[in-house]
Amino acid sequence: NAGVTQTPKFRVLKTGQSMTLLCAQDMNHEYMYWYRQDPGMGLRLIHYSVGEGTTAKGEVPDGYNVSRLKKQNFLLGLESAAPSQTSVYFCASSYGAIGLALFGPGTRLTVT
Amino acid sequence: DQQVKQNSPSLSVQEGRISILNCDYTNSMFDYFLWYKKYPAEGPTFLISISSIKDKNEDGRFTVFLNKSAKHLSLHIVPSQPGDSAVYFCTETSGSRLTFGEGTQLTVNP
Repeated sequence: NAGVTQTPKFRVLKTGQSMTLLCAQDMNHEYMYWYRQDPGMGLRLIHYSVGEGTTAKGEVPDGYNVSRLKKQNFLLGLESAAPSQTSVYFCASSYGAIGLALFGPGTRLTVT
Repeated sequence: DQQVKQNSPSLSVQEGRISILNCDYTNSMFDYFLWYKKYPAEGPTFLISISSIKDKNEDGRFTVFLNKSAKHLSLHIVPSQPGDSAVYFCTETSGSRLTFGEGTQLTVNP
């Protein structure tokens, strides 16, 4: 089992560029999450999904879109990157709603 | 409004002594609290949890206490080891969401 993997690990974007972060899990988990971590602010939930074909907004959804076309994949899109989106992005998945989530290693994104 | 607050951004303890990390919450309708541990350049990993119907849960060197009247929980690590040095997040679950506190950087000095 690979667990939760994230692609890419690092990325530098210019303001206004777009990109997609890919999260994949091979544990047949129903729930998947995207978080961002900023200094002194813990992890904040961007979007989440409770099953294939579903998505929902978290605490800080503005500027991001997500899709869950396949159960094992959860994509996070930035249509027009802004410097405020410079952060470390973590994907997580869990079997159910109790919340014992497994996290990926993170993607460090810098927007200049 | 921050529903889970960790008011101490950092804590430093000596190896072998007890580490106590604290967390306050506002939402009484939670299912579980979980503690996650995070090393630099890695994702958080699950450490220990406690359900709303308990006031204590113990796993080896780690014990979590829940005081529902005070809306407070704490994580005790005893004895502390240098490998415990990491950021610890208090996390609340309600429904299908995980809400994280700001984290506390624990440093255990040899």
